[in-house]
Amino acid sequence: EVQLVESGGGLVQPGGSLRLSCAASGFTFINYAMTWVRQAPGKGLEWVSTISGSGDNTYYADSVKGRFTISRDSSKNTLYLQMNSLRAEDTAVYYCAKEGGSSVYYPLDYWGQGTLVTVSS
Amino acid sequence: AIRMTQSPSSLSASTGDRVTITCRASQGVSNYLAWFQQKPGRAPRLLISAASTLQSGVPSRFSGSGSGTDFTLTITYVQSEDFATYYCQQYYNYSPLTFGQGTRLEIK
Repeated sequence: EVQLVESGGGLVQPGGSLRLSCAASGFTFINYAMTWVRQAPGKGLEWVSTISGSGDNTYYADSVKGRFTISRDSSKNTLYLQMNSLRAEDTAVYYCAKEGGSSVYYPLDYWGQGTLVTVSS
Repeated sequence: AIRMTQSPSSLSASTGDRVTITCRASQGVSNYLAWFQQKPGRAPRLLISAASTLQSGVPSRFSGSGSGTDFTLTITYVQSEDFATYYCQQYYNYSPLTFGQGTRLEIK
Protein backbone atom coordinates (compact mmCIF):
# COMPACT_ATOMS: atom_id res chain seq x y z
CA GLU A 1 0.00 0.00 0.00
CA VAL A 2 1.38 3.38 -1.00
CA GLN A 3 1.78 5.72 1.94
CA LEU A 4 3.03 9.31 2.00
CA VAL A 5 3.42 11.00 5.35
CA GLU A 6 4.35 14.68 5.53
CA SER A 7 5.91 16.37 8.52
CA GLY A 8 7.73 19.55 9.43
CA GLY A 9 4.95 22.09 9.16
CA GLY A 10 4.29 24.71 11.79
CA LEU A 11 4.29 28.40 12.62
CA VAL A 12 7.19 30.46 11.32
CA GLN A 13 7.84 34.19 11.15
CA PRO A 14 8.07 36.03 7.85
CA GLY A 15 11.57 35.68 6.46
CA GLY A 16 12.10 32.42 8.30
CA SER A 17 12.84 28.92 7.07
CA LEU A 18 11.24 25.52 7.36
CA ARG A 19 11.98 22.09 5.94
CA LEU A 20 9.15 19.76 5.08
CA SER A 21 9.63 16.01 4.82
CA CYS A 22 7.55 13.34 3.14
CA ALA A 23 8.22 9.74 4.11
CA ALA A 24 7.27 7.34 1.35
CA SER A 25 6.52 3.63 1.52
CA GLY A 26 4.79 0.91 -0.46
CA PHE A 27 6.54 1.56 -3.78
CA THR A 28 10.05 1.73 -5.27
CA PHE A 29 10.80 5.35 -4.44
CA ILE A 30 13.58 5.93 -6.97
CA ASN A 31 11.29 4.91 -9.84
CA TYR A 32 8.87 7.79 -9.42
CA ALA A 33 8.93 11.56 -9.68
CA MET A 34 7.54 13.38 -6.67
CA THR A 35 5.71 16.67 -6.37
CA TRP A 36 4.72 19.23 -3.75
CA VAL A 37 1.32 20.92 -4.09
CA ARG A 38 -0.04 23.51 -1.67
CA GLN A 39 -3.47 24.83 -0.79
CA ALA A 40 -3.97 28.14 0.96
CA PRO A 41 -6.88 28.26 3.43
CA GLY A 42 -10.15 28.18 1.53
CA LYS A 43 -8.38 28.28 -1.85
CA GLY A 44 -7.60 25.94 -4.69
CA LEU A 45 -4.63 23.73 -5.43
CA GLU A 46 -1.31 25.25 -6.46
CA TRP A 47 1.63 23.27 -7.82
CA VAL A 48 4.90 24.10 -6.04
CA SER A 49 7.67 21.83 -7.30
CA THR A 50 8.52 18.47 -8.90
CA ILE A 51 11.64 16.32 -8.81
CA SER A 52 12.35 13.40 -11.13
CA GLY A 53 12.92 9.90 -9.81
CA SER A 54 16.66 10.18 -10.20
CA GLY A 55 16.71 13.64 -8.66
CA ASP A 56 18.48 15.03 -11.72
CA ASN A 57 15.63 17.26 -12.83
CA THR A 58 13.71 19.75 -10.76
CA TYR A 59 10.89 22.15 -11.59
CA TYR A 60 9.53 25.10 -9.62
CA ALA A 61 6.61 27.47 -9.68
CA ASP A 62 7.68 31.05 -10.29
CA SER A 63 6.20 32.02 -6.92
CA VAL A 64 8.79 29.89 -5.05
CA LYS A 65 11.74 29.82 -7.44
CA GLY A 66 14.92 30.91 -5.70
CA ARG A 67 13.37 30.47 -2.24
CA PHE A 68 12.35 26.80 -2.12
CA THR A 69 14.47 23.74 -2.90
CA ILE A 70 13.10 20.28 -3.56
CA SER A 71 15.29 17.25 -2.93
CA ARG A 72 15.05 13.54 -2.23
CA ASP A 73 17.02 10.91 -0.34
CA SER A 74 16.51 7.49 -1.86
CA SER A 75 18.33 5.79 1.03
CA LYS A 76 15.61 7.11 3.35
CA ASN A 77 12.70 7.05 0.87
CA THR A 78 12.08 10.65 1.80
CA LEU A 79 11.17 13.77 -0.16
CA TYR A 80 12.05 17.22 1.15
CA LEU A 81 11.09 20.82 0.59
CA GLN A 82 13.44 23.41 2.02
CA MET A 83 11.57 26.68 2.30
CA ASN A 84 13.51 29.91 2.88
CA SER A 85 12.52 33.58 2.97
CA LEU A 86 8.98 32.60 3.83
CA ARG A 87 6.16 35.06 3.21
CA ALA A 88 2.63 35.33 4.51
CA GLU A 89 1.35 34.16 1.13
CA ASP A 90 3.19 30.85 1.59
CA THR A 91 0.71 29.95 4.33
CA ALA A 92 -0.97 26.75 3.17
CA VAL A 93 -1.38 23.05 3.61
CA TYR A 94 1.49 21.41 1.76
CA TYR A 95 0.85 18.02 0.17
CA CYS A 96 3.43 15.67 -1.25
CA ALA A 97 2.25 13.55 -4.13
CA LYS A 98 3.64 10.66 -6.10
CA GLU A 99 3.68 10.82 -9.86
CA GLY A 100 2.79 7.87 -12.04
CA GLY A 101 6.27 7.57 -13.56
CA SER A 102 9.94 8.42 -13.15
CA SER A 103 9.89 11.69 -15.04
CA VAL A 104 7.22 14.21 -15.80
CA TYR A 105 4.05 13.80 -17.87
CA TYR A 106 2.39 11.51 -15.38
CA PRO A 107 -0.61 12.18 -13.15
CA LEU A 108 -0.38 12.60 -9.39
CA ASP A 109 -1.76 9.26 -8.33
CA TYR A 110 -1.17 9.24 -4.55
CA TRP A 111 -1.19 12.10 -2.06
CA GLY A 112 -0.17 12.50 1.55
CA GLN A 113 -2.48 13.94 4.18
CA GLY A 114 -0.74 17.34 4.14
CA THR A 115 1.12 19.47 6.65
CA LEU A 116 0.12 23.03 7.56
CA VAL A 117 2.61 25.85 7.24
CA THR A 118 1.63 29.17 8.78
CA VAL A 119 3.77 32.23 8.15
CA SER A 120 2.91 34.95 10.62
CA SER A 121 4.51 37.25 13.14
CA ALA B 1 1.48 29.27 -18.44
CA ILE B 2 -1.44 27.10 -19.51
CA ARG B 3 -4.58 28.40 -17.86
CA MET B 4 -7.23 25.88 -16.86
CA THR B 5 -10.76 27.23 -16.54
CA GLN B 6 -13.51 25.13 -14.98
CA SER B 7 -17.21 25.75 -15.22
CA PRO B 8 -19.33 26.08 -13.33
CA SER B 9 -17.53 27.20 -10.16
CA SER B 10 -20.28 25.61 -8.14
CA LEU B 11 -23.42 23.64 -8.79
CA SER B 12 -26.25 22.13 -6.82
CA ALA B 13 -27.59 18.69 -7.54
CA SER B 14 -29.81 16.06 -6.02
CA THR B 15 -28.89 12.45 -5.43
CA GLY B 16 -29.51 10.56 -8.64
CA ASP B 17 -28.87 13.52 -10.93
CA ARG B 18 -26.40 13.53 -13.78
CA VAL B 19 -23.84 16.33 -13.53
CA THR B 20 -21.22 17.58 -15.94
CA ILE B 21 -18.21 19.75 -15.19
CA THR B 22 -16.18 21.27 -17.96
CA CYS B 23 -12.52 22.24 -18.07
CA ARG B 24 -10.96 24.34 -20.80
CA ALA B 25 -7.23 24.76 -21.36
CA SER B 26 -5.86 27.98 -22.79
CA GLN B 27 -3.77 25.90 -25.18
CA GLY B 28 -3.73 22.29 -26.22
CA VAL B 29 -2.67 19.71 -23.64
CA SER B 30 -3.37 16.61 -25.76
CA ASN B 31 -4.89 14.15 -23.27
CA TYR B 32 -2.56 15.03 -20.36
CA LEU B 33 -5.52 15.92 -18.19
CA ALA B 34 -6.45 14.63 -14.74
CA TRP B 35 -9.52 15.05 -12.55
CA PHE B 36 -9.34 15.08 -8.75
CA GLN B 37 -11.97 14.95 -6.04
CA GLN B 38 -11.37 16.70 -2.72
CA LYS B 39 -13.52 16.55 0.38
CA PRO B 40 -13.14 19.07 3.23
CA GLY B 41 -10.04 18.47 5.31
CA ARG B 42 -8.86 15.68 3.04
CA ALA B 43 -6.19 15.31 0.38
CA PRO B 44 -7.22 15.30 -3.27
CA ARG B 45 -7.96 11.92 -4.81
CA LEU B 46 -7.15 11.08 -8.41
CA LEU B 47 -10.28 10.02 -10.25
CA ILE B 48 -9.32 10.13 -13.91
CA SER B 49 -6.04 10.40 -15.79
CA ALA B 50 -5.25 10.75 -19.48
CA ALA B 51 -8.58 12.59 -19.81
CA SER B 52 -10.68 9.42 -19.72
CA THR B 53 -8.91 6.61 -17.82
CA LEU B 54 -10.76 5.76 -14.63
CA GLN B 55 -8.46 4.99 -11.72
CA SER B 56 -8.73 1.68 -9.89
CA GLY B 57 -11.41 1.76 -7.24
CA VAL B 58 -13.24 4.77 -8.66
CA PRO B 59 -16.94 4.05 -9.28
CA SER B 60 -17.97 3.66 -12.89
CA ARG B 61 -20.52 6.48 -12.54
CA PHE B 62 -17.53 8.81 -13.04
CA SER B 63 -16.34 9.33 -16.60
CA GLY B 64 -14.12 11.76 -18.44
CA SER B 65 -13.80 12.84 -22.03
CA GLY B 66 -12.08 15.33 -24.26
CA SER B 67 -8.76 16.08 -25.85
CA GLY B 68 -6.79 19.17 -26.78
CA THR B 69 -8.42 22.09 -25.00
CA ASP B 70 -11.90 20.94 -23.95
CA PHE B 71 -12.65 18.30 -21.33
CA THR B 72 -15.59 17.10 -19.30
CA LEU B 73 -16.13 15.16 -16.10
CA THR B 74 -19.51 13.49 -15.85
CA ILE B 75 -21.09 11.87 -12.83
CA THR B 76 -24.15 9.82 -13.61
CA TYR B 77 -26.52 9.12 -10.73
CA VAL B 78 -24.77 11.36 -8.19
CA GLN B 79 -24.46 9.73 -4.79
CA SER B 80 -24.23 11.40 -1.37
CA GLU B 81 -20.51 10.66 -1.13
CA ASP B 82 -19.87 12.54 -4.38
CA PHE B 83 -20.56 15.97 -2.91
CA ALA B 84 -17.11 17.52 -2.91
CA THR B 85 -14.89 19.87 -4.88
CA TYR B 86 -13.52 18.73 -8.22
CA TYR B 87 -10.33 19.98 -9.89
CA CYS B 88 -8.91 19.44 -13.34
CA GLN B 89 -5.16 19.59 -13.87
CA GLN B 90 -2.96 19.55 -16.94
CA TYR B 91 0.35 17.70 -16.79
CA TYR B 92 1.39 18.44 -20.35
CA ASN B 93 3.57 21.38 -19.38
CA TYR B 94 5.55 21.64 -16.13
CA SER B 95 6.29 25.30 -16.55
CA PRO B 96 4.10 25.37 -14.58
CA LEU B 97 1.73 22.50 -13.82
CA THR B 98 -1.68 24.08 -13.49
CA PHE B 99 -5.01 23.26 -11.88
CA GLY B 100 -8.46 24.58 -12.57
CA GLN B 101 -9.98 26.77 -9.89
CA GLY B 102 -12.28 24.00 -8.70
CA THR B 103 -15.97 23.17 -8.96
CA ARG B 104 -17.92 22.72 -5.75
CA LEU B 105 -20.71 20.17 -6.03
CA GLU B 106 -23.35 20.81 -3.37
CA ILE B 107 -26.52 19.11 -2.32
CA LYS B 108 -29.66 20.80 -3.63
